Amino acid sequence: QKEVEQNSGPLSVPEGAIASLNCTYSDRGSQSFFWYRQYSGKSPELIMFIYSNGDKEDGRFTAQLNKASQYVSLLIRDSQPSDSATYLCAVMPGGYQKVTFGTGTKLQVIP
Amino acid sequence: KAGVTQTPRYLIKTRGQQVTLSCSPISGHRSVSWYQQTPGQGLQFLFEYFSETQRNKGNFPGRFSGRQFSNSRSEMNVSTLELGDSALYLCASSSGQGNQPQHFGDGTRLSIL
Repeated sequence: QKEVEQNSGPLSVPEGAIASLNCTYSDRGSQSFFWYRQYSGKSPELIMFIYSNGDKEDGRFTAQLNKASQYVSLLIRDSQPSDSATYLCAVMPGGYQKVTFGTGTKLQVIP
Repeated sequence: KAGVTQTPRYLIKTRGQQVTLSCSPISGHRSVSWYQQTPGQGLQFLFEYFSETQRNKGNFPGRFSGRQFSNSRSEMNVSTLELGDSALYLCASSSGQGNQPQHFGDGTRLSIL
């Protein structure tokens, strides 16, 4: 079982719709969760992080965390073509352990 | 505030050679992590340095090594290069304290001929 799992996609949504990206993780003791956006040929860019159960909103982005279900998601409201990218989920266990990345979900926003 | 700086941006080497990549973290960040990214494998963790000490290590052969200097700048060395080492090598820095997120540099694209 992979430590951090994401559907590779592509996930296609029409412009203006809500894009929902999902991530599951295997280490129940994980404490920190990050979402990165990576455009083709570029490096990952941090867009959200969440540490506590529930929702965290930042502009058009909402991160949702459910530790009991070992599930973290990213919602993108009013999706724009510029949101088309690969979204990487990253998980950090407690202490000073390494960050583990999922393989990413490719999002395509169709104009 | 300047971001993470990686040099060089592009590198072409031949099999058997060795290469050294450099990473300057965000000012004040003491943790530097290195990743290899390939289309098939995604982001693979190489190692992390914090205050000049290797704190975490991934599952890469001993040909891959790194170090960190007192100013937190880090270098990664790959010896006896193989065709499979062609990849984007990314450096990420963080404060290294608690749950602080990592911030990535633009990467070094290494091609092995």
